[in-house]
Amino acid sequence: EVPLVESGGGLVKPGGSLRLSCAASGFTFSSFTMIWVRQPPGKGLEWVSSISSSSNYIYYADSVEGRFTISRDNAKKSLYLQMDYLSAEDTAVYYCARDEGEPAIDYWGQGTLVTVSS
Amino acid sequence: DIQMTQSPSTLSASVGDRVTITCRASQSISRWLAWYQQKPGKAPKLLIYKVSTLESGVPSRFSGSGSGTEFTLTISSLQPDDFATYYCQQYHSNTYTFGQGTKLEVK
Repeated sequence: EVPLVESGGGLVKPGGSLRLSCAASGFTFSSFTMIWVRQPPGKGLEWVSSISSSSNYIYYADSVEGRFTISRDNAKKSLYLQMDYLSAEDTAVYYCARDEGEPAIDYWGQGTLVTVSS
Repeated sequence: DIQMTQSPSTLSASVGDRVTITCRASQSISRWLAWYQQKPGKAPKLLIYKVSTLESGVPSRFSGSGSGTEFTLTISSLQPDDFATYYCQQYHSNTYTFGQGTKLEVK
């Protein structure tokens, strides 16, 4: 069973919005900080945002601050990323991931591709 | 912000070789340094955390070391499955920063 499954990616026009979801299973979702990491095609990994287990602490990379909103629903074991004012530079595979607490990222989803293009 | 720089960017090696990848931080960091392996089209896989702790299930030919601003990932005897891209990652001030990656390719 895959512990993290993302959905919601797709093609969106510049300036548009998209909401990514991540469904967790097989572990106590409510106990872990969750993270979004992205990877532009052919490039390296970039941390996007993280949210603590109870949503008390939320952090964003400078590149998405003010445009992206991370949230979670522990009852539904789900993580979300609302992305607004998208630009071509946001084109990437977006991974949902778990911080095991060391901190290190031990569980990753399969990724969902977001393409921003007119 | 702390920057992480990996070297080399590309490394050509053969099965059985001992290889070392270096990750340098722009300032001294704590022991929150991890290493990941990524294969094309796949999500990254955690290999090592806290500089030198091997993740469960990772072969013992992988090892990590370092302190301050310089850290290394060593593969003692390269296996066919090890050809991939490797990333270091640090955690500081509530942010995660990745190195740019090192592609390990067949010589």
